[in-house]
Amino acid sequence: GEDVEQSLFLSVREGDSSVINCTYTDSSSTYLYWYKQEPGAGLQLLTYIFSNMDMKQDQRLTVLLNKKDKHLSLRIADTQTGDSAIYFCAEENQAGTALIFGKGTTLSVSS
Amino acid sequence: NAGVMQNPRHLVRRRGQEARLRCSPMKGHSHVYWYRQLPEEGLKFMVYLQKENIIDESGMPKERFSAEFPKEGPSILRIQQVVRGDSAAYFCASSQPGQGNYGYTFGSGTRLTVV
Repeated sequence: GEDVEQSLFLSVREGDSSVINCTYTDSSSTYLYWYKQEPGAGLQLLTYIFSNMDMKQDQRLTVLLNKKDKHLSLRIADTQTGDSAIYFCAEENQAGTALIFGKGTTLSVSS
Repeated sequence: NAGVMQNPRHLVRRRGQEARLRCSPMKGHSHVYWYRQLPEEGLKFMVYLQKENIIDESGMPKERFSAEFPKEGPSILRIQQVVRGDSAAYFCASSQPGQGNYGYTFGSGTRLTVV
């Protein structure tokens, strides 16, 4: 079935790079997504990558996609305390009607 | 443009009562999605609606849960005879036709507590 797995916690120092990893199961997903959730808030779309791309860069964010291994990663350069949040990886379901989310990776940034 | 509006932000219900959660999509958006987030879990898809139509309800529990998106007014997620296991954050998202999943905008959620 469709499933998305992420590590639950990541702790980094301010100014370092953060790398959040994700594995997914549905190779038919047209896009793969990264969302950010701050405490008490909804999810904010950070970035998404088309499934035939290997990499996408957007300012401090770099997404890497390995389709063969069904592995997606999000790299945040120069991590700031404001980046502390929960990061969710998501793939599309087979029908293309919904997103399937991982359980989220809690990123903690210390100064 | 106020974004996706959900209300109430917090809702407390006793076991056996009904919960009604409302979602007003972004202006111009005619597709609405409901997701549930249990404590320390990711979001789980519940239902996808367009105006007056349920497109995909594969994530909805078979009993006690229903959703609608009428021609006029907000989308409503209704939970009858709530139980403690229904306690969760319920998120609504909306999108425009043709944008698909990458055009999602989420609301801030309704946090339901069943006591």
